[in-house]
Amino acid sequence: KNQVEQSPQSLIILEGKNCTLQCNYTVSPFSNLRWYKQDTGRGPVSLTIMTFSENTKSNGRYTATLDADTKQSSLHITASQLSDSASYICVVTLYGNNRLAFGKGNQVVVIP
Amino acid sequence: GAGVSQSPRYKVAKRGQDVALRCDPISGHVSLFWYQQALGQGPEFLTYFQNEAQLDKSGLPSDRFFAERPEGSVSTLKIQRTQQEDSAVYLCASSWPRGSGANVLTFGAGSRLTVL
Repeated sequence: KNQVEQSPQSLIILEGKNCTLQCNYTVSPFSNLRWYKQDTGRGPVSLTIMTFSENTKSNGRYTATLDADTKQSSLHITASQLSDSASYICVVTLYGNNRLAFGKGNQVVVIP
Repeated sequence: GAGVSQSPRYKVAKRGQDVALRCDPISGHVSLFWYQQALGQGPEFLTYFQNEAQLDKSGLPSDRFFAERPEGSVSTLKIQRTQQEDSAVYLCASSWPRGSGANVLTFGAGSRLTVL
């Protein structure tokens, strides 16, 4: 069973609209939680990284939240742009051995 | 270099052939990771190097997979007697100083392997 589950698997949004992506994880304890953006045919690029004590982290139009009690994280994209079309991957670092547990990603398509 | 460089970007192999995938990490990065990403899936861990030492190879799916980093910089992932299920994108990532704890991994663009 995957330790990191993301939803929705995919979504289509209109340019300029906001959207929120969800990540639920079972990894415990963990060191940090990251969100990566992966464009088609490219490697993942880090957007945010949060330790277990942080609740929110922003990077431009991207805002990530973390609730360590419920083991949930979200990534909110504000005023979406066509360039936001990508897969967004939630990654949890296992405490102790620093192994990374990857979600399958949220595939976002922004249309004009 | 400015980023993690991987080659070849695309490789088509006949089943049974051996392939070698190369990763040039960011200069000075101690840690190097290999991941396998199947279509529509998240990356799956294969192996981890700290300098030239391969500290974790528990993710390698079979003994047909072999990775090395002899001088602590460039790394090669070798797949012997390729099978169709080996078809995937192979991602390399590096970080500094150690591990992937709180350090940001920088990924390469990946090598897409297709086994016919």
